[in-house]
Amino acid sequence: KAGVTQTPRYLIKTRGQQVTLSCSPISGHRSVSWYQQTPGQGLQFLFEYFSETQRNKGNFPGRFSGRQFSNSRSEMNVSTLELGDSALYLCASSRVGAVTEAFFGQGTRLTVV
Amino acid sequence: AQRVTQPEKLLSVFKGAPVELKCNYSYSGSPELFWYVQYSRQRLQLLLRHISRESIKGFTADLNKGETSFHLKKPFAQEEDSAMYYCALTGFQKLVFGTGTRLLVSP
Repeated sequence: KAGVTQTPRYLIKTRGQQVTLSCSPISGHRSVSWYQQTPGQGLQFLFEYFSETQRNKGNFPGRFSGRQFSNSRSEMNVSTLELGDSALYLCASSRVGAVTEAFFGQGTRLTVV
Repeated sequence: AQRVTQPEKLLSVFKGAPVELKCNYSYSGSPELFWYVQYSRQRLQLLLRHISRESIKGFTADLNKGETSFHLKKPFAQEEDSAMYYCALTGFQKLVFGTGTRLLVSP
C-alpha cells in the first residue's frame, strides 16, 4: 500500500508570491490533516478535512487555506508569502472519521526568500 | 485548552541505560494519547498509542490520568533509538503535539 505522498518535496518562493502544496492520502483514508513544522514552534495544526469538508482549523491567518477533493486528495494554499512561512509542511491521513492513528507524508520544504 | 508538554528538549543517555521521556497533557475529557517518532531523514511515524497497551521496540507508555502524564519508557536504550520523539493527543479532529524531545543514545 502506497504511503502518503506530498508534492513537491522542495519549493523556493519569494515574498508576496503564493504557493500550492499537494497531498495524496493512503488509499481508503478520508481524513487529511495539515501541519506546519518549524524548529521554534514544533508541529502546529493547520486544518483537517474529511469528505471534502473542513472540520477543524488551527490558529493561522486567512492566507492559509486548503481543500479536499472527492478522491480525498488535498491541497493547501498559502497566499502573499512571508519569510516566516518558511517551514516543513506535513500532511497526514487517517482511515476513520475521527483522527486516530495518523500516517504522515515526507513533507514539503518551503523556503521563502 | 488542549496542551501537551514535553519538558526536555534533549535527553542524552548511554547505550544500555534506562530512558524516560516525559509527557504531560491537559485536556477536558478523555483524550487518546500517542507517541510519534521521527528518525533522521525519515517521516514522522507512530510509535505507540495508549489504548493498545503494547510494547513497541521495547518502549512502553502508561497513561496516568491522575497525574495527566504519558511518559515513554525503555529499560535499556539502544543507539538506534536516537531520534526525535513527540507526544500527542487527539481531540476535535486534530492531533496536538508537544514540542518534542531529542533522544541521543551514545555508545
